[in-house]
Amino acid sequence: GAVVSQHPSWVICKSGTSVKIECRSLDFQATTMFWYRQFPKQSLMLMATSNEGSKATYEQGVEKDKFLINHASLTLSTLTVTSAHPEDSSFYICSVSRQGVNSPLHFGNGTRLTVT
Amino acid sequence: EDQVTQSPEALRLQEGESSSLNCSYTVSGLRGLFWYRQDPGKGPEFLFTLYSAGEEKEKERLKATLTKKESFLHITAPKPEDSATYLCAVRDDKIIFGKGTRLHILP
Repeated sequence: GAVVSQHPSWVICKSGTSVKIECRSLDFQATTMFWYRQFPKQSLMLMATSNEGSKATYEQGVEKDKFLINHASLTLSTLTVTSAHPEDSSFYICSVSRQGVNSPLHFGNGTRLTVT
Repeated sequence: EDQVTQSPEALRLQEGESSSLNCSYTVSGLRGLFWYRQDPGKGPEFLFTLYSAGEEKEKERLKATLTKKESFLHITAPKPEDSATYLCAVRDDKIIFGKGTRLHILP
């Protein structure tokens, strides 16, 4: 069964508005969740690591004020795209990893964001 | 710089025609190599983890192998439902993904 639930699966918003994406770990408590972005025919690019109860760690080049991450519980992380612009249109995917340094990531089904 | 390169970018096969996908990597300290399947508009689905050279894993028509520099995903007698993008990822300090191979199996 699914390990990760992500919602919504798609969203269309107008430029300048904000959009929130939820990611839930269904099978286990996740102190760490990961947010990726994927452009067509491109690799998954890690945006940030979400840490329960503390600030997220952002990758180089990712604006933390634009992509707000909140990890308020051991099963829920949210990504809010603030003041969205058309160039933010992309496929956003969250993932979790079980405890264990070398465990694989398990992904949600992604959110297709289109900013008009 | 750590890198993951997958080849070919795209592959079209007839149903039943076996082939292999390649994942070449350069990392300073491999802590796992992962294969995923991704269908259009979906998140990646985990297939295999390989940790050391010589290791092999199998699942239905898929078999993954690992050497010190590359991994192969062998697909035997594929069916149209095997059509998808196959992603390779390696873990060093972080998990780095390749761009994937888009596999299309023709009936």
